[in-house]
Amino acid sequence: GDSVTQMEGPVTLSEEAFLTINCTYTATGYPSLFWYVQYPGEGLQLLLKATKADDKGSNKGFEATYRKETTSFHLEKGSVQVSDSAVYFCALSDRGSSASKIIFGSGTRLSIRP
Amino acid sequence: GAVVSQHPSRVICKSGTSVKIECRSLDFQATTMFWYRQFPKQSLMLMATSNEGSKATYEQGVEKDKFLINHASLTLSTLTVTSAHPEDSSFYICSARDDLGYGYTFGSGTRLTVV
Repeated sequence: GDSVTQMEGPVTLSEEAFLTINCTYTATGYPSLFWYVQYPGEGLQLLLKATKADDKGSNKGFEATYRKETTSFHLEKGSVQVSDSAVYFCALSDRGSSASKIIFGSGTRLSIRP
Repeated sequence: GAVVSQHPSRVICKSGTSVKIECRSLDFQATTMFWYRQFPKQSLMLMATSNEGSKATYEQGVEKDKFLINHASLTLSTLTVTSAHPEDSSFYICSARDDLGYGYTFGSGTRLTVV
């Protein structure tokens, strides 16, 4: 079945460092891809998404490009801030199905040092 | 933007009692809602898909009689944890899918502690 594999954490960086969190997927169809962020004790917030190959999702300085050839959707940010400390989930949804649901990766905990 | 309200945010109950968690889409209709469970420092595991006006679809390994789901309207789904035990303690999160497209909005989660 469909699945998402993402970089294991925790990841600890200094403020203003460059961030990459790797994510690859396996899907039989043409999924939509997402990055969600979860702050401590809270639910999930959609960070960005891409619905087709070569689409780039971006939000709050974060970017991810839908790469069909490598089945990847890596999350990047050029200069991280302390407020970016959270858990990040890569996810996919089979948008072609009326019964579609979101499948999550294992999550990557990011900590940013001042 | 789309908002999903989940209530309560925290609940503590005694072992053997039942707890109901509500998930409401505030400004859109959602024929389909999802219930997830999250253990500490782990990912979200889909428990069931809730369909308005019909029975929920449960994932393999999830006890239907333990986790009762009711989706009586286009804006409300409820999850009832029956005869709760300490091992049911967890963070439960709901998600609603916008009927107009394939957008998903998540609730803020419910921290259940069974003592």
